[in-house]
Amino acid sequence: SAVISQKPSRDICQRGTSLTIQCQVDSQVTMMFWYRQQPGQSLTLIATANQGSEATYESGFVIDKFPISRPNLTFSTLTVSNMSPEDSSIYLCSVAGSTDTQYFGPGTRLTVL
Amino acid sequence: AQKVTQAQTEISVVEKEDVTLDCVYETRDTTYYLFWYKQPPSGELVFLIRRNSFDEQNEISGRYSWNFQKSTSSFNFTITASQVVDSAVYFCALSEARGRGGGSNYKLTFGKGTLLTVNP
Repeated sequence: SAVISQKPSRDICQRGTSLTIQCQVDSQVTMMFWYRQQPGQSLTLIATANQGSEATYESGFVIDKFPISRPNLTFSTLTVSNMSPEDSSIYLCSVAGSTDTQYFGPGTRLTVL
Repeated sequence: AQKVTQAQTEISVVEKEDVTLDCVYETRDTTYYLFWYKQPPSGELVFLIRRNSFDEQNEISGRYSWNFQKSTSSFNFTITASQVVDSAVYFCALSEARGRGGGSNYKLTFGKGTLLTVNP
């Protein structure tokens, strides 16, 4: 399986600011996804990061709040904009190749004060 | 709509006991995939197994085994002779094929997870 890294691994931010999370894969992958895991909760898909085009967002998530970039087949970023304490979560990227098995990065633990 | 139910919120066992984690799913798709992931305290999500809807054979991998029963829409996970290192949150997930055409285009729907604590 691919080796996936995320930066930063954790951060503490002030409300009203924005944070950009990076996801890097060591090989080209077809699909990249971004998930949110709120404290003690399950994973919820935010969006599918599409290479060369706008991301596909799930219900309840909008581009203004969670802009996503995917400039190539090995890299994507998720920005959490205008943060509030409710955005405190673990944010995970995942990748999938020719099969639909998703492999996850180590996650970014975000705390918003 | 896809749905995954993990009725057991928390399970606590003593080391060397066997433990089964339940997973029940709902889908209208005839082709789908089921997964189990492990999330240790470090937070990383570790892939354990994928099973497609056409393969109902049970699978064993070391101390882990999975029982897929399409008739009851269940995909249960058993850990034999549990160890302290098995302590984690375990998620069952269901993939939904979206759109048509080539390439994978799947959405994972996760259950709420089961927190397994194995005590020494």
